[in-house]
Amino acid sequence: DQQVKQNSPSLSVQEGRISILNCDYTNSMFDYFLWYKKYPAEGPTFLISISSIKDKNEDGRFTVFLNKSAKHLSLHIVPSQPGDSAVYFCAATSGTYKYIFGTGTRLKVLA
Amino acid sequence: DARVTQTPRHKVTEMGQEVTMRCQPILGHNTVFWYRQTMMQGLELLAYFRNRAPLDDSGMPKDRFSAEMPDATLATLKIQPSEPRDSAVYFCASGFPYSNQPQHFGDGTRLSIL
Repeated sequence: DQQVKQNSPSLSVQEGRISILNCDYTNSMFDYFLWYKKYPAEGPTFLISISSIKDKNEDGRFTVFLNKSAKHLSLHIVPSQPGDSAVYFCAATSGTYKYIFGTGTRLKVLA
Repeated sequence: DARVTQTPRHKVTEMGQEVTMRCQPILGHNTVFWYRQTMMQGLELLAYFRNRAPLDDSGMPKDRFSAEMPDATLATLKIQPSEPRDSAVYFCASGFPYSNQPQHFGDGTRLSIL
């Protein structure tokens, strides 16, 4: 049973436009959410996170939004750049430091 | 920049052989995780350790997989005997839960079982 779901396996966006990556979760006990970015042949690298007490967190071009009632979070990248092309994983945890990851969304930013 | 180091980066072997993957966590990190990446499941947690003690290995097939931390600088994941369905990328991650810092990942071991 997938507790964290990324329903879009892939997404293509024009350079300069907004990329929106989505993630849904089922466990209402999750209280901390993270996004990781992964390039081919490398390990995932941390991108941005959000606590369940917030609904938005921003870091430069990256913003994560959390909608607890809908059990949904999204990652916005504005403006998108070709170097953002990677696989993005969302993860959730319930305070145990044990992350549950989604299956990933492959983002392709077209120049 | 401190990094999690995994060896080997690639491993190709025949079915039935023993496979050992190694991980050197970041110095000072007291929690180590093993994940497996597959197309269908994404990043699955196999096992994790805190202060070298296993906390959860429920994600691991117990009959053939084993994970250990012989010391604070080395974590190992063994598969014996290996099967073709074990082919995947295996990642190690480390962290320090009390610092509010996220887990840091190594670059993985790509395992192919023929």
